[in-house]
Amino acid sequence: GESVGLHLPTLSVQEGDNSIINCAYSNSASDYFIWYKQESGKGPQFIIDIRSNMDKRQGQRVTVLLNKTVKHLSLQIAATQPGDSAVYFCAESASGYSTLTFGKGTMLLVSP
Amino acid sequence: DTEVTQTPKHLVMGMTNKKSLKCEQHMGHRAMYWYKQKAKKPPELMFVYSYEKLSINESVPSRFSPECPNSSLLNLHLHALQPEDSALYLCASSRGTLNTDQLFFGSGTQLSVL
Repeated sequence: GESVGLHLPTLSVQEGDNSIINCAYSNSASDYFIWYKQESGKGPQFIIDIRSNMDKRQGQRVTVLLNKTVKHLSLQIAATQPGDSAVYFCAESASGYSTLTFGKGTMLLVSP
Repeated sequence: DTEVTQTPKHLVMGMTNKKSLKCEQHMGHRAMYWYKQKAKKPPELMFVYSYEKLSINESVPSRFSPECPNSSLLNLHLHALQPEDSALYLCASSRGTLNTDQLFFGSGTQLSVL
């Protein structure tokens, strides 16, 4: 289940389950969105991206969904594995700006 | 080579010390970045270099001084830091400065200021 602690929301799942991590963004001008995975002691690692002219994009075991109407982004991970345990950040940017704005992050804990 | 290499991995310094963080990439990227990340928080942008020129300074205190000696190297010089500056300092690079140019992050330097 999902819990929101004082600092970082946490999603706990069993190995083999599908995971859904959600993100709300606020800038209507944002037209490019990215999901990053950050493992302990490492920098953020690119997972998948999506442009605002799309509402769904699939990668290997991951799918990103974009709902521009409600400014919502989600990351779906199929058949979650213990190696997927990490903090996941969404990030957004707008054309003409090279800087990303990161969301607050969600910790995914996968138990065997 | 798709790596961004940061040294040192860990650094402990006193408030009167001067130290430098180093970052290197050999992907031919022309944009390089410094981010600061506190525990359980998202990375926050500090500086952006584009073609070796400082293009963005996110109102960072002058005790942090960036330097880009060439297109492959990025330094962050630290002087008279405060304990609240303790954080993970991440370097990143991208091919260019389009918002769709993917950022590649290093593993960071974990800095503790005593």
